[in-house]
Amino acid sequence: DVKVTQSSRYLVKRTGEKVFLECVQDMDHENMFWYRQDPGLGLRLIYFSYDVKMKEKGDIPEGYSVSREKKERFSLILESASTNQTSMYLCASSASLAGELFFGEGSRLTVL
Amino acid sequence: GEDVEQSLFLSVREGDSSVINCTYTDSSSTYLYWYKQEPGAGLQLLTYIFSNMDMKQDQRLTVLLNKKDKHLSLRIADTQTGDSAIYFCAERRIDTGGFKTIFGAGTRLFVKA
Repeated sequence: DVKVTQSSRYLVKRTGEKVFLECVQDMDHENMFWYRQDPGLGLRLIYFSYDVKMKEKGDIPEGYSVSREKKERFSLILESASTNQTSMYLCASSASLAGELFFGEGSRLTVL
Repeated sequence: GEDVEQSLFLSVREGDSSVINCTYTDSSSTYLYWYKQEPGAGLQLLTYIFSNMDMKQDQRLTVLLNKKDKHLSLRIADTQTGDSAIYFCAERRIDTGGFKTIFGAGTRLFVKA
């Protein structure tokens, strides 16, 4: 089975702090994605990566950056967390850009 | 999400059929998906349909696609309490640079025992 693991299930941070959300997949997938999930808005794509060291902006990249130094790991970085970034963050991977998405369990971030 | 719309809540009695509806706007959609999210978990692909099909059945699940009206539905027969979850409709469309998956806001299905 494909496993997508998000290292932190729950985080509480203060405004202005730097936040790292880590995601690891074990199926050698080329593509990895970061979404945020908010009630009534569904999932919105923040960034995705189709290869090591490659990244593309999604629909809402402002306030976020990403890092993909190794194929299995895709990190989401909030340089200076703000309260409007309080959300559930979901990582996903897929074998191809058109393929099925496999999701991690999510990281719930609260910014105070 | 971008023009993938679904109602936010549905309540049914155990044993009844559930029908979750979704509308989308992009005619270039290639695949349409239903994902299920159980409490405290990530999303899992439940089923999908290719845009040139109009129906797909998989055990208790039936997906109907009306491409003319851009309407997708998911029917769950003999709904059980374990089916309580959020169901996301998603479309895969061609975009600059490749494919893009657009999700609806999710329909929370509540099954009453």
